[in-house]
Amino acid sequence: KAGVTQTPRYLIKTRGQQVTLSCSPISGHRSVSWYQQTPGQGLQFLFEYFSETQRNKGNFPGRFSGRQFSNSRSEMNVSTLELGDSALYLCASSLAASGTANEKLFFGSGTQLSVL
Amino acid sequence: AQSVTQLGSHVSVSEGALVLLRCNYSSSVPPYLFWYVQYPNQGLQLLLKYTSAATLVKGINGFEAEFKKSETSFHLTKPSAHMSDAAEYFCAVGPGGYNKLIFGAGTRLAVHP
Repeated sequence: KAGVTQTPRYLIKTRGQQVTLSCSPISGHRSVSWYQQTPGQGLQFLFEYFSETQRNKGNFPGRFSGRQFSNSRSEMNVSTLELGDSALYLCASSLAASGTANEKLFFGSGTQLSVL
Repeated sequence: AQSVTQLGSHVSVSEGALVLLRCNYSSSVPPYLFWYVQYPNQGLQLLLKYTSAATLVKGINGFEAEFKKSETSFHLTKPSAHMSDAAEYFCAVGPGGYNKLIFGAGTRLAVHP
């Protein structure tokens, strides 16, 4: 069974641009979560989608948005990029939404975004 | 609000020595607790999870962790370190599910011959 696939692996953008990152979950998984990882702030939860609906959201500005498609694939978008948005963006999938026991997160290798 | 504190951003041990990575949590409700490992240029992999079924949790690669409510701790241990254990380890707490996790700052484990 293929793991969580994130594309692209690396991305370089300039301030003010926007970017879209893609995540394909493990087949059969309906929940997709996004995390931002930086040396200064560590791992921070961005949002979670389940069956095309956003179920949880972290404390990030509205420039960060996401969506999930009917095949459970997810995209996240960051508009008006800032230097501080440089980070590793990790996607994780699981069978069920938060609040359900006995499920675990499977992480992708991430997209490394550099904002110049 | 829930939080996680990992004591020691870097830990160095000799191959074959005991590994002890410390994690303390703050939670107003019975927590779900996790340890994840991250190897260079990779995502996170679940080592083990605590969900109140047993206080001593055994995970993959010979790791285990003990939940101590009185100490609000969930320390990760491995009796004998291997070179392949060198990685960054994250403790995390889940407020009631598995998808919205609050992570600690991480501990980088170095294993030397």
